[in-house]
Order: sequence, then C-alpha cells, then structure tokens
Amino acid sequence: QQPVQSPQAVILREGEDAVINCSSSKALYSVHWYRQKHGEAPVFLMILLKGGEQKGHEKISASFNEKKQQSSLYLTASQLSYSGTYFCGTETAGGSYIPTFGRGTSLIVHP
Amino acid sequence: DTGVSQDPRHKITKRGQNVTFRCDPISEHNRLYWYRQTLGQGPEFLTYFQNEAQLEKSRLLSDRFSAERPKGSFSTLEIQRTEQGDSAMYLCASPGGDTQYFGPGTRLTVL
Repeated sequence: QQPVQSPQAVILREGEDAVINCSSSKALYSVHWYRQKHGEAPVFLMILLKGGEQKGHEKISASFNEKKQQSSLYLTASQLSYSGTYFCGTETAGGSYIPTFGRGTSLIVHP
Repeated sequence: DTGVSQDPRHKITKRGQNVTFRCDPISEHNRLYWYRQTLGQGPEFLTYFQNEAQLEKSRLLSDRFSAERPKGSFSTLEIQRTEQGDSAMYLCASPGGDTQYFGPGTRLTVL
C-alpha cells in the first residue's frame, strides 16, 4: 500500500521552513526519507525505525509517530540546495524489507 | 557517488528488442533491490535479492522481465520484447545498515 505524501508541492524563499508529511494505512516498521534532483537517483536522507525516534541531519530532521502511522520531515531555514522532490518510503510491520514509496513532494526554494 | 554503479546509464531501443541492465552493488552488501521509476512517481519495487537468492518479485514484473544475481555479486535485469510502456528509469539499490544506497539508474527509452 503506497504511503500518502502531503503537500504535493511547496514553494519557499530561502530561509523559510517547510514540513512534508507521509502517512500510511498500515502499521509501520520504518520510514525512509529521500531527496531526488531532476534526472538523478534518489539520495538517502534518513531512516526512522519503530519507536517514535526523531532524527536529525543538518537542518533537516524527521519524526515518526508509530500510533498515527505517520512521519514528518522538517526542513529548517531552507537553502537553494534543498530544492528537489522528497519521497518517503515505508516498510510495514511484519512485512518483508521492501520499502514502498510515496508519489513525492516537490520542493522549490527561491532566492 | 554512492558506490553503487549501473550500466548503461542510458539505453534507447526499438519496440520488440531485448535489453539488459547491470548493477554492481557495494561489495559487502547482501541485499539488492531493483526499482522502476516513471515521471512524477516514486520508485516502484520490482524485485529483491538476498545474496544470490531472488526472494520477492513484484506483480509489475511480467514474464518479459527476468533478474539474476549470480554468486551474490552484480545483478542483471533483462527485459525481453520491450514495449513503449517499459520506458522508465531503472534503479538499483544496495542497502547497508540503516542506509539505502541507490545507483545512478539506467534510463530506458523504447521507441
């Protein structure tokens, strides 16, 4: 079952913050977050495992609410280099190690 | 550079021809995944290897598709009798620890 990402697109000015959400209808074991630039492969940002742990990576962090089967990616003080499409990939609890990806959120950061 | 390589990077073929792609994962990684990605979508799972054993295949993988991973090292994905609907980016991923490493992808165009 494909996770649902929201919003579909975000347009920001440099320095502004953004939140991207990922939700699933199934119990989750893990959530992965990726950024993909046009014409390139996805780049892994972070993984959050069952347990509700919040993780951080530079000014990009994420949370995982196991009970709500949701994860959120927080981009703080956005930079031009943050532009791209962000995907969440989810692994369901009790399932095989096969991430299912959402349709992505397009993020555009303007100067 | 994630350490995962794919060859070729681009392939243009005529409908009905066979094509083969290669993925060289990070050498000590046991698992290897193949995904397909079309414009505006997240990666879609195709198949998954643990060493040389093919453990999962998606329903997307019709009988025209076959994948191998001899000796648990590199992997090949072959598409027989290509169709225009096969045009996509084919991605290989090599997970290690908590990190999913994607290769640069092979972009297939079927004319």
